[in-house]
Amino acid sequence: NAGVTQTPKFQVLKTGQSMTLQCAQDMNHNSMYWYRQDPGMGLRLIYYSASEGTTDKGEVPNGYNVSRLNKREFSLRLESAAPSQTSVYFCASSEARSSSYEQYFGPGTRLTVT
Amino acid sequence: AQSVTQPDIHITVSEGASLELRCNYSYGATPYLFWYVQSPGQGLQLLLKYFSGDTLVQGIKGFEAEFKRSQSSFNLRKPSVHWSDAAEYYCAVGEPGNTPLVFGKGTRLSVIA
Repeated sequence: NAGVTQTPKFQVLKTGQSMTLQCAQDMNHNSMYWYRQDPGMGLRLIYYSASEGTTDKGEVPNGYNVSRLNKREFSLRLESAAPSQTSVYFCASSEARSSSYEQYFGPGTRLTVT
Repeated sequence: AQSVTQPDIHITVSEGASLELRCNYSYGATPYLFWYVQSPGQGLQLLLKYFSGDTLVQGIKGFEAEFKRSQSSFNLRKPSVHWSDAAEYYCAVGEPGNTPLVFGKGTRLSVIA
């Protein structure tokens, strides 16, 4: 039981390049989330998926797209990377239909855009 | 809309001293409240959570938190801090349904000998 996994762990991009961050969970959770973490800003929600087939914007969606590929996988795409997207990205999942609601986090992807 | 305030950006305590990290929330009904810890270079780990019932909740690693509705607070405490507790701590609030948690900006804890 790996929980939430993210790939890659580290990535360096040049401005204008594109990439996809992958996230998978093996807990059969319905909901999945993408956050970015920046110094002094805490965690900010980029996009989330309440259930398979649905996605919604969070606080900072500009410059990103997401795909809920199936119940297990939720990817985050940067179409044209900008230095302002240098950050640590966390994926999380939760079973929002139970009495739990806590989110389980992956180890993060550290992205640098030069 | 929900919001969470962690008034202290950085706290330094001596090893063996007690600790209290503050968290204030804004939410109309009874919220679901959480504390997470993030060690350097790691993801976030759940320390404890409150949904209902006893307002003093126990978590992992010897942490506890008390829900005070009158003060809209959910402060995290530990009676004796260990050097390994040095980390970033996040308070979060949620509500029933498929809505994301709202996180505070975090409090960084440093532990000195």
